Amino acid sequence: DTEVTQTPKHLVMGMTNKKSLKCEQHMGHRAMYWYKQKAKKPPELMFVYSYEKLSINESVPSRFSPECPNSSLLNLHLHALQPEDSALYLCASSQVAELGQETQYFGPGTRLLVL
Amino acid sequence: RKEVEQDPGPFNVPEGATVAFNCTYSNSASQSFFWYRQDCRKEPKLLMSVYSSGNEDGRFTAQLNRASQYISLLIRDSKLSDSATYLCVVSRRGTYKYIFGTGTRLKVLA
Repeated sequence: DTEVTQTPKHLVMGMTNKKSLKCEQHMGHRAMYWYKQKAKKPPELMFVYSYEKLSINESVPSRFSPECPNSSLLNLHLHALQPEDSALYLCASSQVAELGQETQYFGPGTRLLVL
Repeated sequence: RKEVEQDPGPFNVPEGATVAFNCTYSNSASQSFFWYRQDCRKEPKLLMSVYSSGNEDGRFTAQLNRASQYISLLIRDSKLSDSATYLCVVSRRGTYKYIFGTGTRLKVLA
């Protein structure tokens, strides 16, 4: 089973709201990723967790706060977002046996609209 | 110059045609290479990994040329269902960073 699930599928929020995106995988992968994708652009890396520890933060604004409660779950907490943060947020996971050589598997994404 | 570059297309081809995409990368330390396909408003899905001199999977053939730092994807006997954006992804050994090209749009026409 190569499935990564994400909830919710769609989210509309105001600029003062607090919301969370959730991602789950049961493939035993120990690396999990958050990407942001705008229309007609490739995914942009935001965060990487390895063994539940934050390994990479690509200078993401603090209004995005990631959390990895355990090896299967990854959250992205959102607060005081701007309309330009509207995008498709993709979660991915991979093995870590051979860093950089492992296949990433993507979830279906959460389509976020900030009003 | 972007680290991974692709011709954005669109490539409009008739059903049954053969089409090839190229992807160039600038970092010689790049170690692993992948082709993903992404349908409109969907997530990227792995099409093929390209680890050594290339590989074939049915109608799809991927080639790697380390000397010239490019990879290619050849699609034979194109189907309508092949219409999508094809993303070239490059990574370096020992890192978690997977660098995406801008993607090439393919439209297969009936």
